Amino acid sequence: EVQLLESGGGLVQPGGSLRLSCAASGFTISSYVMSWVRQAPGKGLEWVSAISGSGGSIYYADSVKGRFTISRDNSKNTLYLQMNSLRAEDTAVYYCAKDRERLVVVTAFDYWGQGTLVTVSS
Amino acid sequence: DIQMTQSPSSLSASVGDRVTITCRTSQSISSYLNWYQQKPGKVPRLLIYAASNLRSGVPSRFSGSGSGTDFTLTITSLLPEDFAIYYCQQSYSSPWTFGHGTKVEIK
Repeated sequence: EVQLLESGGGLVQPGGSLRLSCAASGFTISSYVMSWVRQAPGKGLEWVSAISGSGGSIYYADSVKGRFTISRDNSKNTLYLQMNSLRAEDTAVYYCAKDRERLVVVTAFDYWGQGTLVTVSS
Repeated sequence: DIQMTQSPSSLSASVGDRVTITCRTSQSISSYLNWYQQKPGKVPRLLIYAASNLRSGVPSRFSGSGSGTDFTLTITSLLPEDFAIYYCQQSYSSPWTFGHGTKVEIK
């Protein structure tokens, strides 16, 4: 059974940093593109970042480029999101999501974690 | 970036109704369009991928159609568990954008 379990969220001051983790089970993350998608309170879905199975292809939304870094540790079957220079507008539930196909670009998000809440506030 | 326009933003419907939600993209994306359902407090769930392919396990009352810039999600006979927010998402190019959602409410 595919499972994704995020951790690392919490309250952080503007300008601070957090590192999110997403532990995967039931499949091997090295075979799939993995993404982070966020959802601000009461708002819609926003794709944030994606990384190919090998890690050789990495993509970011303009809103986080230069501040967030996606990475993966295939030996631990875990995805990460390092978030620096956090802003109030980064407040959201962050989901990790598995891609449906074994390619190097996003096709469709077929499994999602339960999400971890990041709150940026002083 | 590809802009996604969903309509309507919300609708009220009764159990048994046929419901159609539209998603329009700012440029042609062939059939690279997915649909998700999100219930309150729950995780989004993939329903339809590549415009018209029903994900395994999703009831057949859900269907998708379209190509190019205009797409539709249809629920043929609404059930109580279908009241939710529906999002379209393009997988044609990065950034992989979502529509703003359509909230399907009980009339």
